[in-house]
This record gives sequence, C-alpha cells and structure tokens, in this order.
Amino acid sequence: DARVTQTPRHKVTEMGQEVTMRCQPILGHNTVFWYRQTMMQGLELLAYFRNRAPLDDSGMPKDRFSAEMPDATLATLKIQPSEPRDSAVYFCASVPGLARIENYNEQFFGPGTRLTVL
Amino acid sequence: AQSVTQPDIHITVSEGASLELRCNYSYGATPYLFWYVQSPGQGLQLLLKYFSGDTLVQGIKGFEAEFKRSQSSFNLRKPSVHWSDAAEYFCAVGAEEGGSYIPTFGRGTSLIVHP
Repeated sequence: DARVTQTPRHKVTEMGQEVTMRCQPILGHNTVFWYRQTMMQGLELLAYFRNRAPLDDSGMPKDRFSAEMPDATLATLKIQPSEPRDSAVYFCASVPGLARIENYNEQFFGPGTRLTVL
Repeated sequence: AQSVTQPDIHITVSEGASLELRCNYSYGATPYLFWYVQSPGQGLQLLLKYFSGDTLVQGIKGFEAEFKRSQSSFNLRKPSVHWSDAAEYFCAVGAEEGGSYIPTFGRGTSLIVHP
C-alpha cells in the first residue's frame, strides 16, 4: 500500500532554531506539493515541484522558508530561523504524472508534521 | 483567481440523519471540483471529484455531490451519517497553471456526529 510519508510527525522547537521537515512521495509521482494548515488560515499552498524542479513557491515566505527536492524520493521544507507564527501542521502531497488535467488523479497526502515553535 | 467558500464552519447531525455540506466556488472557466475528508491527525483523503459529464458524482464511503453551474455550487451529501464520518471536510476547485493542476481549498467544515 503506497503512501506518502513525512518525518518527523511532531516537532517542538524554540524560536530561532532551524527546522527541517521531510517528505517521501509515492514512488513514481512526479508532482509534489507542500501545504501549511492552521486554524486561522486553513490549508495554504506553500510550494510545488514537478519532476523535482520548483514551479511555484509564491505562497512561501522567502526570507525564512526554503523547499528543495534533492532527489525523486525526498522533498524537504526548511525554516530558518523559526518563529512562533510558523506553528502549524505541514502537509506534503504527491500526484502521479505531471498533474495535468487530462490525466489528473487525486493528491495523495502525507500524515503531516505538527510543528510547534515556542 | 479561483476561490472556494464553505459557509459552515461546524455542522452537527445525529447518527443516521442525512447530511449536506455546502460549497460555493468562483472560477472563470469550467471548474474541476473535489471533496476531501480529513480525519483527526491524518492527511486529506479524496472523497470524490467532478471534471465533466454527469453532474451528480458518486464517491467513496457513500458520499455524493452535485455540481450546479447556475449556483456555482458543489454540495456534498450523504443519506445516512455514521459516527465514523465525524471529520473535517474540504471542498477544492482546480485550475490549470502552466500545464499543471493546482487546487484551491476551502476553509473546511467540521462534522460532528451525535449518537
């Protein structure tokens, strides 16, 4: 049963510390999304990649957030330095193919990383 | 730009009762519409999707949704709710950007089921 995995599932850190969240998309999925979920803002798209190349990261605060996909099996989201307002659940989702409408399938979501910044 | 409105933050129903969750969208072209469910501590799972064709779409877990273009709505329904349906439900509208499909999610509706 193929699944998107995310590590860690929970992270508590202090303001100013670096945080790295990892995502392993389903093998063969070419498009990977990063979302942030908070009570106030709901589900926000931060960035997405197609074939490991970043296509859009306009939803991401550039000064402290960075997203990369060093290989097809790993996507990372890094926050440096972290702030209390970054506390949220961060989801990764992958899609088979290129997420083109004509062959679009559902997004497969990981279980999320719950980040708390004190 | 596309947008999705889920006007109900919380819905409470009794087990066995019928359910309708509302979703209104704004998009200039033919919308691609989705409903996802999120159980506590989990990621989102697709319930159903509408691309074209029959406006009444059947999904998993006994859910269905009806696309009404004139009302810009895509409401989710279930004839008889089970306690296990208690979860957060998200409506999403998809738009093409540069050859990729990008969904925009609503704020979600929390479903509470009373025994």
